[in-house]
Amino acid sequence: LAKTTQPISMDSYEGQEVNITCSHNNIATNDYITWYQQFPSQGPRFIIQGYKTKVTNEVASLFIPADRKSSTLSLPRVSLSDTAVYYCLVGDDYKLSFGAGTTVTVRA
Amino acid sequence: GAVVSQHPSWVICKSGTSVKIECRSLDFQATTMFWYRQFPKQSLMLMATSNEGSKATYEQGVEKDKFLINHASLTLSTLTVTSAHPEDSSFYICSASPEAGELFFGEGSRLTVL
Repeated sequence: LAKTTQPISMDSYEGQEVNITCSHNNIATNDYITWYQQFPSQGPRFIIQGYKTKVTNEVASLFIPADRKSSTLSLPRVSLSDTAVYYCLVGDDYKLSFGAGTTVTVRA
Repeated sequence: GAVVSQHPSWVICKSGTSVKIECRSLDFQATTMFWYRQFPKQSLMLMATSNEGSKATYEQGVEKDKFLINHASLTLSTLTVTSAHPEDSSFYICSASPEAGELFFGEGSRLTVL
């Protein structure tokens, strides 16, 4: 499983866009990139998944450059309820290895 | 989306007793489920892979006799913490996937051993 590196924490304000970049230099050819969100005392929740280029859903966008050695999760117009830990994972099977994650704190 | 449910959501027990945590996939069948533990302000650590109809696969450093896993049906996996001690107090989370690519997690079960 590829190892990932993310910033430990990020601060933002309501209404701003938050971009979290994850490095995964050793990503394998068949690895997908998946992002999860976790609130305290809850299980992680799937946000978005991608393989290359750009993926967008109703809550986020995922940007993946051509070399796939990094990816950026973009959260548009965050609110206080987006305060959580965000995990970037890579892997082509269901055995995902969690890194430290990024704690995003949104302030009013 | 798919739903994975855990029970109980929290449990308090005395040291030396055993505690069972259930993980159910409510609207899909899962031949494989995963168990994690998470200490405060730390990331999830994969403990074991639960396989329906066969033995679980444990990660390095996880005692199989301490953390008994049973995956008796395609919708239920159980984790039993045997002879629990205060250091076993943690947040235990399970996950499963109905198809390739998206993993769904349970709500988690907080175990406190007194």
